[in-house]
Amino acid sequence: GQNIDQPTEMTATEGAIVQINCTYQTSGFNGLFWYQQHAGEAPTFLSYNVLDGLEEKGRFSSFLSRSKGYSYLLLKELQMKDSASYLCAVRDKTGNQFYFGTGTSLTVIP
Amino acid sequence: GAGVSQSPRYKVAKRGQDVALRCDPISGHVSLFWYQQALGQGPEFLTYFQNEAQLDKSGLPSDRFFAERPEGSVSTLKIQRTQQEDSAVYLCASSLAPGRGLDEQYFGPGTRLTVT
Repeated sequence: GQNIDQPTEMTATEGAIVQINCTYQTSGFNGLFWYQQHAGEAPTFLSYNVLDGLEEKGRFSSFLSRSKGYSYLLLKELQMKDSASYLCAVRDKTGNQFYFGTGTSLTVIP
Repeated sequence: GAGVSQSPRYKVAKRGQDVALRCDPISGHVSLFWYQQALGQGPEFLTYFQNEAQLDKSGLPSDRFFAERPEGSVSTLKIQRTQQEDSAVYLCASSLAPGRGLDEQYFGPGTRLTVT
């Protein structure tokens, strides 16, 4: 089966750094994706990792360790607009399916 | 440019009715995915098309659910004899490449289905 775990909720202060973890156990692996979803809106793509290591993209970075089945999303210089749900998704080896976690609801406070 | 569009945005159906949900993907996108998202949950995979071919329908919860993409562009998700547990947001996503590399999915706004 497929199992993707993320914390349900996190709170962080404006201007700070927050790390959202994701662990996965899947029968195959062909890339890990992070999406942002504001309430009532569609998910939007943030980052992609297929090899181990850190991918940096502005205020957002994502890390992957395939041997540990672990990824994290790092958000720097938090802004109020970063309050949203962050979804971790694993693509299976066929590339035909994506398995999403339940999402981490991040609240940024002043 | 135009993104992924879905219609209707909201649908209320009486239990037992049939519904049809439409997805217009980004022009030229090969891959099309349907997901079901319950409140407070992540999207759950339903089915995947590569052009007009339905390559994976293992996520469809029952034989009441049917999806098609006859010309490799617009797709329709049909739910027959709707049940209350079908109430959810149905998301459609499209991507350019068939399951390789940075195959970023672009999501539509979703159709919120409420079965009463």
